[in-house]
Amino acid sequence: EAGVVQSPRYKIIEKKQPVAFWCNPISGHNTLYWYLQNLGQGPELLIRYENEEAVDDSQLPKDRFSAERLKGVDSTLKIQPAELGDSAVYLCASSPRGAGDTQYFGPGTRLTVL
Amino acid sequence: QKEVEQNSGPLSVPEGAIASLNCTYSDRGSQSFFWYRQYSGKSPELIMFIYSNGDKEDGRFTAQLNKASQYVSLLIRDSQPSDSATYLCAVTFYNTDKLIFGTGTRLQVFP
Repeated sequence: EAGVVQSPRYKIIEKKQPVAFWCNPISGHNTLYWYLQNLGQGPELLIRYENEEAVDDSQLPKDRFSAERLKGVDSTLKIQPAELGDSAVYLCASSPRGAGDTQYFGPGTRLTVL
Repeated sequence: QKEVEQNSGPLSVPEGAIASLNCTYSDRGSQSFFWYRQYSGKSPELIMFIYSNGDKEDGRFTAQLNKASQYVSLLIRDSQPSDSATYLCAVTFYNTDKLIFGTGTRLQVFP
């Protein structure tokens, strides 16, 4: 069974530029998560989807971050414009059902904003 | 007060010893508890989950949960250098359906 796929693995951009991350969850997993992880910290939830519905986006900075999961499968997270403080690893995870279920993480995208 | 607390370490143990990793959480109604391992530069991978009070064993790993004390731990028996990683405790808080991670404990197993 293929795991969670993310791309790109690394991204370097200048501040104020836009950037987008893509995630394809494990087949059959209805729940998809985007997390942000800073160095030395645990992952912090940005947004959770149940199928195509964003059921928890309370931690998503909506002035610059947006996400979509149009067909309830793969998802895109966008930042526009990027700021220096956005440098972090962006992790995508999926689970068969809700948050009480085991989450499986993708390899992450390491973003560096210069 | 942080919602899920872990000692950041590093916790250093000799090869073959038992490593004990601890985690406390603030929500008494929490129901699901997970331990993830994260190697440097890699993403978290699940080691174990536990839902009920008591011990749960899986190979060299034992998770222990005490809901009254709001405490969950992970024991690693016969520690190996390949166990050197950061161990993340994660808790699902009651009525939020959200998984909250601790900051992780860095474990170093030396030969």
